[in-house]
Amino acid sequence: EVQLVESGGGLVQPGGSLRLSCSASGFTFNNYWMHWFRQAPGKGLVWVSLINPDGNSIGYADSVKGRFTISRDNAKNTLFLQMNSLRAEDTAVYYCARDISWGSSDYWGQGTLVTVSS
Amino acid sequence: QSALTQPASVSGSPGQSITISCTGTSSDVGGYNYVSWYQQHPGKAPKLIIYDVTKRPSGVSNRFSGSKSGNTASLTISGLQAEDEADYYCSSYAGSRTFTVFGGGTNLTVL
Repeated sequence: EVQLVESGGGLVQPGGSLRLSCSASGFTFNNYWMHWFRQAPGKGLVWVSLINPDGNSIGYADSVKGRFTISRDNAKNTLFLQMNSLRAEDTAVYYCARDISWGSSDYWGQGTLVTVSS
Repeated sequence: QSALTQPASVSGSPGQSITISCTGTSSDVGGYNYVSWYQQHPGKAPKLIIYDVTKRPSGVSNRFSGSKSGNTASLTISGLQAEDEADYYCSSYAGSRTFTVFGGGTNLTVL
């Protein structure tokens, strides 16, 4: 069974940092592109970042470029999102997801809540 | 403001069919056959129900179907059931820089 489990969310002050993790199981992790998405409370879905299987092709939404860094450890079947210089508008549930076709994601984690507030 | 435009809400009675539209531009919906639709129940993660405009993932009911004409994609749900009540989001590949854009979501109410 495919499973994605996020962790690392929490309350952080503006300007602070958090590192999210996404532990994958039930599939060959190093065969898939992976994404991070987010959803602010009561709002819609937003794409944040993606990474290819080898970790050498990466993309970011303009809103997080220069502040967030995506990475992966294929030996540990884990996806990461390092978030720096956090802002109130980064408050959201963050989801990791497995890509099956040019942005279509067939498996999603349960999400981890990041709250940026003083 | 979302890149793709969806109606904020739609409704239908059990057994009926409804269609949700998703309008973009030639840079996203109209330019690629990579439109997806997601169903999201409150407090839950999104569930992929349509990808590549018309394809259904394994296990998704054939009551869900997708199509596209020009810059507008559509999701049709036939034989509405109470369990279909949820938010529905469209998304599209939008090129190597923007990658994926979403609609603002449509809340489906089953009357």
